[in-house]
Amino acid sequence: DADVTQTPRNRITKTGKRIMLECSQTKGHDRMYWYRQDPGLGLRLIYYSFDVKDINKGEISDGYSVSRQAQAKFSLSLESAIPNQTALYFCATSDYENTEAFFGQGTRLTVV
Amino acid sequence: AQKVTQAQTEISVVEKEDVTLDCVYETRDTTYYLFWYKQPPSGELVFLIRRNSFDEQNEISGRYSWNFQKSTSSFNFTITASQVVDSAVYFCALSARPYTGGFKTIFGAGTRLFVKA
Repeated sequence: DADVTQTPRNRITKTGKRIMLECSQTKGHDRMYWYRQDPGLGLRLIYYSFDVKDINKGEISDGYSVSRQAQAKFSLSLESAIPNQTALYFCATSDYENTEAFFGQGTRLTVV
Repeated sequence: AQKVTQAQTEISVVEKEDVTLDCVYETRDTTYYLFWYKQPPSGELVFLIRRNSFDEQNEISGRYSWNFQKSTSSFNFTITASQVVDSAVYFCALSARPYTGGFKTIFGAGTRLFVKA
């Protein structure tokens, strides 16, 4: 099994719908992150969490919310999806700030 | 402010050529960490190397080498004798502390490397 699992892997949704992307990890790490990847823009940080009670906004949090249900689970929600949220979304975990991140396989989201 | 700039959007080389991918970063922190990741066509992100701000020693790992220079805020990555399997998007990343809160990791826009046979 993968260390970081994202579900779903692909999703097509309509404008205005609420959608949740889920992430679970078996690494035992406290730190978890959500990024989105767009061509030419790299990975941009949406939200990050250092533990269940510590959630922080990243570079582009507008239109998104997150929930850290447990150390191992970190979900990303789009309350009312819009087409410019079409992107590849990655969840990641790390042990400390100076250690590498482990990424999930990504969720390709299309908002039509 | 934290920022990572990878000015090269795409690079195309012929197999066996050497290629250098540039990374310039900005941070107010004196303690920070730099990373390189590879994203092959399959899409997953693979960690390559980590450097902390107190260690300017260059590193070589097989055909890969990294040059960290604090004076120019750069952390460049060189592939020697490139191979087709090196074709991927390469990301430089910075982990540093913004004005408030703990460390966060941000990425550059990536450099897409094409290695032609």
